[in-house]
Formats: sequence, C-alpha cells, structure tokens
Amino acid sequence: AQKVTQAQTEISVVEKEDVTLDCVYETRDTTYYLFWYKQPPSGELVFLIRRNSFDEQNEISGRYSWNFQKSTSSFNFTITASQVVDSAVYFCALSDDPTGANNLFFGTGTRLTVIP
Amino acid sequence: KAGVTQTPRYLIKTRGQQVTLSCSPISGHRSVSWYQQTPGQGLQFLFEYFSETQRNKGNFPGRFSGRQFSNSRSEMNVSTLELGDSALYLCASSLATGTGGNTDTQYFGPGTRLTVL
Repeated sequence: AQKVTQAQTEISVVEKEDVTLDCVYETRDTTYYLFWYKQPPSGELVFLIRRNSFDEQNEISGRYSWNFQKSTSSFNFTITASQVVDSAVYFCALSDDPTGANNLFFGTGTRLTVIP
Repeated sequence: KAGVTQTPRYLIKTRGQQVTLSCSPISGHRSVSWYQQTPGQGLQFLFEYFSETQRNKGNFPGRFSGRQFSNSRSEMNVSTLELGDSALYLCASSLATGTGGNTDTQYFGPGTRLTVL
C-alpha cells in the first residue's frame, strides 16, 4: 500500500529563516516517483519537483532544495531564506506513474506561514 | 498557452441532487485526472481519463463517475449528493507520455468548490 506522511501540520517561520518540510513515504514498488506541490490560497496546486526512485541525487533550484534518502524513505524539502510569498500549503505525493496522473497519493500537507 | 480551466468555480447543491463539473485541459494534453480535497480526508485521487478511456479509479463509491470527450475535455458527475461530498474538486491535465519528461507533469486547475446543504 502507498502511504505518505507529513508529520508537520503547520510551521511558522520569520522571513529569511530557513525551513525544512518533512516527508516520509511507504511503498512496495521498486520503481516509484515522489512529488512536491505547493497550494497557495488560490487553491491551485503548483508542481515543484518530481524525483524517481533510482535518482537519489539531491536537487537545488534557487532557494528550494530537496533531499531524497531511500534508506530512510524520506523526501524532505528545504526553503532557504524564506519569503512571505512562500506561505502556502505544501504537499508531498507518491505515484508509480512518472506523471502521477493515474494514481497520486498525497500526504496531508504542511501549512507554512512566513511572518514578515 | 491557456491553463486548465474548471467550471463552475463555485456550486451549492442540496442533498439528493446530482452535479456535473467540467474540466478543460491544456491544449494537447490527453490525460485528465480528478481529485477531491476535504479537510478531513485531504487530497484523494478520484479517477483518470486518457483518450476517452478511464484508466484508473480511486476508492470512491459508484455515485462518482466521469467521462472524457474526444477533445479531451472531461466531466465528472456526482449523483445523490451527500453532505460529505462538500469539497474542492480539482482536475489536472498532462501529456502522460509515460516517459516522465521534464514537461510531462500534471497541471492543476483552480478547482470547483462544491457545497452540499
């Protein structure tokens, strides 16, 4: 069974602080894909990153970075020097499909509030 | 390029009624997926359509159904509405080539917020 756990329900940080959002997953598949999405107050989910199970390289994109560790089944997301515009709900998700189109399992989300 | 559009954006219905929601994917996208988001259950996959065929379905009762037209537009229908069906319904479209290329990801619409009274 697929399962994604985001233990942090809500996090508040002061602007310019770094923050890490945790994601732990469970799957029996050997090939799988992990995703992070951002949901701003408007409600529309915005794709941030996809990582396949064979690629444990960490990734950095501007202020965002992701740490994928198969040994601990974790795919954590760090925002460096947070900004008010980063305030949103962030979802980690898991699929056996590279697009995630035909069965995407979401975590419960972490609401990040960045205080100016 | 226009994004995914969903209509209507807001809807109020009463128990027992039925409702149809519409989703227009990004031009060229053949896959449309539907999700239900509620405070209690979070984001849950409903079903996915590709080239007018349902490829996968989540764990929802038969009251939830959908279809896809030849132009890739999709509709989902909920019959005999229950209070618990109140939710944000999101649709997403993708190329779904299966290769996982950089541009082959899901793009979400703004959602339809359904309130059942």
